[in-house]
Amino acid sequence: AAGVIQSPRHLIKEKRETATLKCYPIPRHDTVYWYQQGPGQDPQFLISFYEKMQSDKGSIPDRFSAQQFSDYHSELNMSSLELGDSALYFCASSGTSGRGDEQFFGPGTRLTVL
Amino acid sequence: QQQVKQSPQSLIVQKGGISIINCAYENTAFDYFPWYQQFPGKGPALLIAIRPDVSEKKEGRFTISFNKSAKQFSLHIMDSQPGDSATYFCAAILLTQGGSEKLVFGKGTKLTVNP
Repeated sequence: AAGVIQSPRHLIKEKRETATLKCYPIPRHDTVYWYQQGPGQDPQFLISFYEKMQSDKGSIPDRFSAQQFSDYHSELNMSSLELGDSALYFCASSGTSGRGDEQFFGPGTRLTVL
Repeated sequence: QQQVKQSPQSLIVQKGGISIINCAYENTAFDYFPWYQQFPGKGPALLIAIRPDVSEKKEGRFTISFNKSAKQFSLHIMDSQPGDSATYFCAAILLTQGGSEKLVFGKGTKLTVNP
């Protein structure tokens, strides 16, 4: 079965640079979530999109922005990168068949800021 | 403030033993409680989930017990195997104003099952 695809899997950037993370949800899933997971931490919700519209915002810094495109893929844009942005970034997708739809997580993008 | 409190932080169990992880929450708006299993370098994967109107759910060796009045729930792994060694996150789902379902995770429990 198709899973959530994230690219790139690993990314190394310098401080103050920008980064773009991409997420391709499972086919026919219309909701995308972004999470940030620091070392030894639980995933923290950043932002979500439903039908290409932002549906909720969590602890996402103002330096970050995201959008969902017409083909439902999503991109997380990160600017003025800081050392503390080094983390695993997960994208998850879900359908809308009802409450409690499982969020399927992608393999993550490991971002290292030097 | 952590909305979902999870304990213990780490757990070591012998093969064949029972692993028990506990979670507690305060927000009564949570209405769905999944458990996720995460292996190093991988994304979290749904293990089992329960709604608050059910007191227990069992799937194979994994059982969730739910106490709505105490706002507590726990995961029991029976006959624990070395392959179960992973980090386990309890979570709670909150329906947001935007209509999406936000997952709120506990801090996680690193389970090690010794052979």
